[in-house]
Amino acid sequence: DSGVTQTPKHLITATGQRVTLRCSPRSGDLSVYWYQQSLDQGLQFLIQYYNGEERAKGNILERFSAQQFPDLHSELNLSSLELGDSALYFCASSVGTVRLDTQYFGPGTRLTVL
Amino acid sequence: DAKTTQPTSMDCAEGRAANLPCNHSTISGNEYVYWYRQIHSQGPQYIIHGLKNNETNEMASLIITEDRKSSTLILPHATLRDTAVYYCIVSFMEYGNKLVFGAGTILRVKS
Repeated sequence: DSGVTQTPKHLITATGQRVTLRCSPRSGDLSVYWYQQSLDQGLQFLIQYYNGEERAKGNILERFSAQQFPDLHSELNLSSLELGDSALYFCASSVGTVRLDTQYFGPGTRLTVL
Repeated sequence: DAKTTQPTSMDCAEGRAANLPCNHSTISGNEYVYWYRQIHSQGPQYIIHGLKNNETNEMASLIITEDRKSSTLILPHATLRDTAVYYCIVSFMEYGNKLVFGAGTILRVKS
């Protein structure tokens, strides 16, 4: 158990819908990262937040957005869903204030878009 | 971030040491080598990291060549539960940095 929690574990929805994925980082971690893992693209970095502020952006679509709240939990919002958005979505967290900042991953949310 | 090259797959007998190689010939001086593994769609699990010295923890050992262009992850006594995809990642990894995952090596531990 990494200490990172993600909800829900599974999500099934239809094209065009909007969903919200939630992540609670390890206690004391200030940075949260979101990654997407699809069959054809592998694990890809989406976005990083540090203490409520966006720090880095990867291959995140404009239909996707994220935020980190004052209690440091984070949400990833996916809208206008397409079939190709079906994937595993992982959240990771790290201390964010030290060198050699190791990321620890949550169990993921499996999103299925029908 | 430097690019890494890993074999697509490897087999290992249960109880034997599993040696997973990784080439990172373009690594720069202050980039670290990190290893993660992913067991059947679970979240990636951190294993170990190193800069230039060999490292060991309760899970594995990491051997980095003197020129730092390659490394080997060693699982000393592989078990069936070590069957997973192993990712070698090279990154600055300071104050938070994205991880760039390649295809990794599928390690199959067989009884």
